[in-house]
Amino acid sequence: DIQMTQSPSSLSASVGDRVTITCRASQNINSYLNWYQQKPGRAPKLLIYAASSLQSGVPSRFTGSGSGTDFTLTISSLQPDDFGTYHCQQSHSAPYTFGQGTKLEIK
Amino acid sequence: QLQLQESGPGLVKPSETLSLTCTVSGGSTSSSSFYWDWIRQPPGKGLEWIGSIYYSGSTYYNPSLESRVTISVDTSKNQFSLKLSSVTATDTAVYYCARHPTFNTIFDIWGQGTMVSVSS
Repeated sequence: DIQMTQSPSSLSASVGDRVTITCRASQNINSYLNWYQQKPGRAPKLLIYAASSLQSGVPSRFTGSGSGTDFTLTISSLQPDDFGTYHCQQSHSAPYTFGQGTKLEIK
Repeated sequence: QLQLQESGPGLVKPSETLSLTCTVSGGSTSSSSFYWDWIRQPPGKGLEWIGSIYYSGSTYYNPSLESRVTISVDTSKNQFSLKLSSVTATDTAVYYCARHPTFNTIFDIWGQGTMVSVSS
């Protein structure tokens, strides 16, 4: 199985901050990397697919980058609604695996 | 607008079989463009892909659960289902149904999730 490791596990940031979350795959997954946002008690929501493509309706302050084994999700200017847990997921090969999640809190 | 809704018992006894159904509205399980998925999340933990099914009935499962999992589809009812046998407390989780396009396993639509507890 491909292991996905996110860092940090949690972070706290202020409105307007630039926030970066990283995801590392245990082997080369090319650009088969997706990002989801999950609010407490809710289902995950797709933000970014294929490493850098923005899902329809997602604000442009969210960007994804990377390829191979190292990936980044960046929020350019943090907004109050951006709290929650962020998950990366590899779609390179089954079994499709997720990172452990990064919990983002707003200061 | 496509919506998915999970249904089934919220409490299952150890060693019994967990059974859930996902009802699709605003779209069709007969679509050749998508697979239909089950994903779970134990309390306070990360997400785990369980398995996927195509409208034809073709399935593929997470090897870690394959011996206990059956996913089926009923296109006449626009539903797909999950059965997980011989459950233990470690199967306690929120269970989500979802879909992904055939060209890439991107889970773009999710149900709201249903909590299933395994306890006597």
